[in-house]
Amino acid sequence: KQEVTQIPAALSVPEGENLVLNCSFTDSAIYNLQWFRQDPGKGLTSLLLIQSSQREQTSGRLNASLDKSSGRSTLYIAASQPGDSATYLCAVLDGGSQGNLIFGKGTKLSVKP
Amino acid sequence: GAVVSQHPSWVICKSGTSVKIECRSLDFQATTMFWYRQFPKQSLMLMATSNEGSKATYEQGVEKDKFLINHASLTLSTLTVTSAHPEDSSFYICSARLRDRGYGYTFGSGTRLTVV
Repeated sequence: KQEVTQIPAALSVPEGENLVLNCSFTDSAIYNLQWFRQDPGKGLTSLLLIQSSQREQTSGRLNASLDKSSGRSTLYIAASQPGDSATYLCAVLDGGSQGNLIFGKGTKLSVKP
Repeated sequence: GAVVSQHPSWVICKSGTSVKIECRSLDFQATTMFWYRQFPKQSLMLMATSNEGSKATYEQGVEKDKFLINHASLTLSTLTVTSAHPEDSSFYICSARLRDRGYGYTFGSGTRLTVV
């Protein structure tokens, strides 16, 4: 059974710092991996989608990497800002393109001004 | 693009009543939609998968008679919580899978249900 783990559960950093959020999954046979952002009481906003054949994706200050063989992904946030404060969720699409999306419990990020 | 609109964003209802939550795909056709439930400080748990024109598939432990899902068109899926009880209070989110975007997922904004 696929399990997704995110470390750390919470992170507090001063504004301007570069930071890394970690995601690991137990079964490497994933179709893709997606990083989301969730603000309190809100839905999920997709940040980056990495297909299983890809190594990384970039969008602005965000960079996500994928090492499928070791079951790991990282989300790198450069020059963090208070507006980046949110919960970041990692999810893998398990069991092929028609499979289920399996979520980690998220990392709650707080960026202090 | 690929926006899913979810309504209402929050609802308070009395115990024993029913509540309907709607999810609409605004600029694409969603043949499959997913309904999730999220408890405070927990991750999302898949409740059911709805396919346009057919019966929904429920995850183990989810009562299909309590959580009625209808996906009558390619742009609308609804979740009705019937005879709601306080333990049904939660955050419900719908999602659609985007086949033409590498099978990424797009999510609605969620519905906070409080049953009193």
